Amino acid sequence: DSGVTQTPKHLITATGQRVTLRCSPRSGDLSVYWYQQSLDQGLQFLIQYYNGEERAKGNILERFSAQQFPDLHSELNLSSLELGDSALYFCASSVGEGNTIYFGEGSWLTVV
Amino acid sequence: GQQLNQSPQSMFIQEGEDVSMNCTSSSIFNTWLWYKQDPGEGPVLLIALYKAGELTSNGRLTAQFGITRKDSFLNISASIPSDVGIYFCAGQPLMTGGSNYKLTFGKGTLLTVNP
Repeated sequence: DSGVTQTPKHLITATGQRVTLRCSPRSGDLSVYWYQQSLDQGLQFLIQYYNGEERAKGNILERFSAQQFPDLHSELNLSSLELGDSALYFCASSVGEGNTIYFGEGSWLTVV
Repeated sequence: GQQLNQSPQSMFIQEGEDVSMNCTSSSIFNTWLWYKQDPGEGPVLLIALYKAGELTSNGRLTAQFGITRKDSFLNISASIPSDVGIYFCAGQPLMTGGSNYKLTFGKGTLLTVNP
């Protein structure tokens, strides 16, 4: 158990819908990262927050957004979902911005 | 962006055999990490390497940071069934005050161990 908690573990939704994935980082970690894992693209960095502020953006679509709340939990919002958005979405956290990253167990999103 | 080439893509071995996998990059990295992902789980850090030439062990696992800073390998000795999973390398490019968002992951090596 890494200490990073993600919900839901599995989610099936229809195209065009919007979903929210939630992440609670390890106790004491200020940085939260979101990754998308698919068979063809591997692990792709989406976005990072540090203590409530957005710090870096990777390959995140405009239809996707995220935020980190004062209690440090984070949410990833995926809207206007397409079939190609089906993937495993991981949250990870670290104490600072260059320390070891710990991954959650992921949220498996299936868009039908 | 950075590109990591991880090989082999998959391996099917017998229990007790040794395994070797590697990652190469066209760019210089100042950190190499090796993760393992079990089915239904998130990646778990196995070994972290911070210095060119560094050789680090974690039980039956040994990893090395290539002297050119452009490659790393992971060896698993005397494999057992629970070694099954996907192994990822990850590298952080050479930059001052490196931040995790710059981590680039390889596409993984799927290891299957036949009991």
